[in-house]
Amino acid sequence: SQQGEEDPQALSIQEGENATMNCSYKTSINNLQWYRQNSGRGLVHLILIRSNEREKHSGRLRVTLDTSKKSSSLLITASRAADTASYFCATVPRNEKLTFGTGTRLTIIP
Amino acid sequence: NAGVTQTPKFQVLKTGQSMTLQCAQDMNHEYMSWYRQDPGMGLRLIHYSVGAGITDQGEVPNGYNVSRSTTEDFPLRLLSAAPSQTSVYFCASRAPGTETQYFGPGTRLLVL
Repeated sequence: SQQGEEDPQALSIQEGENATMNCSYKTSINNLQWYRQNSGRGLVHLILIRSNEREKHSGRLRVTLDTSKKSSSLLITASRAADTASYFCATVPRNEKLTFGTGTRLTIIP
Repeated sequence: NAGVTQTPKFQVLKTGQSMTLQCAQDMNHEYMSWYRQDPGMGLRLIHYSVGAGITDQGEVPNGYNVSRSTTEDFPLRLLSAAPSQTSVYFCASRAPGTETQYFGPGTRLLVL
């Protein structure tokens, strides 16, 4: 069964705007990761946040983690056309098998 | 480094046929895994391996076999293909002690 679930399923924004997507998960985790998948390609790792961290930044990416609510958010600032992709959260539960959510499809409108 | 490579990129099978999806990595990663991706389902783990000679089942292992005779290669076998196995298959690897997975480009499989 899916551990993570992203919200929204699809998101369209104008280039230059910020994009926020959310992930909720079910069980205690060691860490949570975000991946990007361009159409027809494999997944690319974006950022990892550990269970004892609350916020992490990487370039235009900002990830937050709320373990009490079992949720995370990914913020992409100043979006670009190249950010058009599907974004997946993946959690590492205590059994260490990486488990993926269903993804958010992000479209940046030029 | 080529990273994680997968062959073929696309395959059409008839129900009941068998085939092997190839996966190789040149990063000396101990941990390798196979996922399938279906619309609206995200990625689901089929089988994984923590090192040569060691494999284990994931979430959806039925209908698939794996072996790990070398660190570099992790083939996925479909013994008798079924239409339900129509999907995109991804191989991934990671180094021990790290949590970042590196994915191959995927194999798109259509079973008629």
